[in-house]
Amino acid sequence: DAGITQSPRHKVTETGTPVTLRCHQTENHRYMYWYRQDPGHGLRLIHYSYGVKDTDKGEVSDGYSVSRSKTEDFLLTLESATSSQTSVYFCATGMGTSLGAFFGQGTRLTVV
Amino acid sequence: QQQVKQSPQSLIVQKGGISIINCAYENTAFDYFPWYQQFPGKGPALLIAIRPDVSEKKEGRFTISFNKSAKQFSLHIMDSQPGDSATYFCAASNQAGTALIFGKGTTLSVSS
Repeated sequence: DAGITQSPRHKVTETGTPVTLRCHQTENHRYMYWYRQDPGHGLRLIHYSYGVKDTDKGEVSDGYSVSRSKTEDFLLTLESATSSQTSVYFCATGMGTSLGAFFGQGTRLTVV
Repeated sequence: QQQVKQSPQSLIVQKGGISIINCAYENTAFDYFPWYQQFPGKGPALLIAIRPDVSEKKEGRFTISFNKSAKQFSLHIMDSQPGDSATYFCAASNQAGTALIFGKGTTLSVSS
């Protein structure tokens, strides 16, 4: 898994609560990504980072924010969780958009 | 807007047979086309990738065929084995893009 650790691996939270997912890498990759995976939708990009404190929105960014204060850490925050955010979240890292991406093991988030 | 279309959604192949998964893309600026393999409960893992300057790439039993004029690429799994049963995703990206754009995935089941 290219030295990518996601935490927590599983979480159940209530609607309206804030949630933060963490991604930690040991590969010194410049790029980090957050995807969500849902049946019938494949993998959809939420946010990505191209360097420390440099982030941008992906296809499904509404309701999510990210921060990257160190090369190795990329945080995904759900400001106020909703049931539609129940999903499996994957962090990925890479050296460039045309150089592939390497995924973590995922975080299964359930919003009740 | 789905920029990478993948088919079929599911596929059942006999052991020893050939599995074929197809993808079509729209953005002619894409210059990197990887395939990912995902087992249940795991993150996607890079399987094989191709760039548009070649029409075919082979790694073991896995082959990517690329047709630039038709904007299509496909994954062929020769001598399919039960251990190949997984979900496969095609993807595409370019140097100026934000990140990999994924197809919706194909669930492959190889029966013994």
